[in-house]
Amino acid sequence: SQTIHQWPATLVQPVGSPLSLECTVEGTSNPNLYWYRQAAGRGLQLLFYSVGIGQISSEVPQNLSASRPQDRQFILSSKKLLLSDSGFYLCAWSRQGASQPQHFGDGTRLSIL
Amino acid sequence: SQKIEQNSEALNIQEGKTATLTCNYTNYSPAYLQWYRQDPGRGPVFLLLIRENEKEKRKERLKVTFDTTLKQSLFHITASQPADSATYLCALAYQTGANNLFFGTGTRLTVIP
Repeated sequence: SQTIHQWPATLVQPVGSPLSLECTVEGTSNPNLYWYRQAAGRGLQLLFYSVGIGQISSEVPQNLSASRPQDRQFILSSKKLLLSDSGFYLCAWSRQGASQPQHFGDGTRLSIL
Repeated sequence: SQKIEQNSEALNIQEGKTATLTCNYTNYSPAYLQWYRQDPGRGPVFLLLIRENEKEKRKERLKVTFDTTLKQSLFHITASQPADSATYLCALAYQTGANNLFFGTGTRLTVIP
């Protein structure tokens, strides 16, 4: 069966510090990968998606970036965090195809001080 | 741009009753509509998918309807239980591009014993 791992579960960072969140998927190959942010009481905002190694599409311009160095590894980064970057970050994977559901990790709660 | 509205932020219902959650959208009808459950501090979990040419889909105590004329999907939980308490999200998927999902903000359901 497939599993998705996301870490860390919680993170407290000062403004201006760098960020690296990692997500890995097991049990499947060539998945679509996604990064979302969920603000308190808000819906899921798609940040990045990837259909293959090295292929990243950005949905929202911001100071975040994503990379996919391996087939089942997806990394969310920032060089300098802003207060507005606080939120709940979720990684997800799906098989190819519009009808495929997405499978989410348990998220990272990021607080910027 | 697509706007997705879920009937209310919170819905309280007595145990044993049927919970009905609403998802309305504007603009183009999606090829697929999905429903997810999200518990506090966790990632969403896929529940059901319904296609645009399907009127109704069932899975155990869950039922989803899809009316492309009304641009609405209804999500029903029959014989509701306290364990059904969670936030429920609808998500729209279109045929084009990567299978990106457009999520509603969710309805928080509380089943009262």
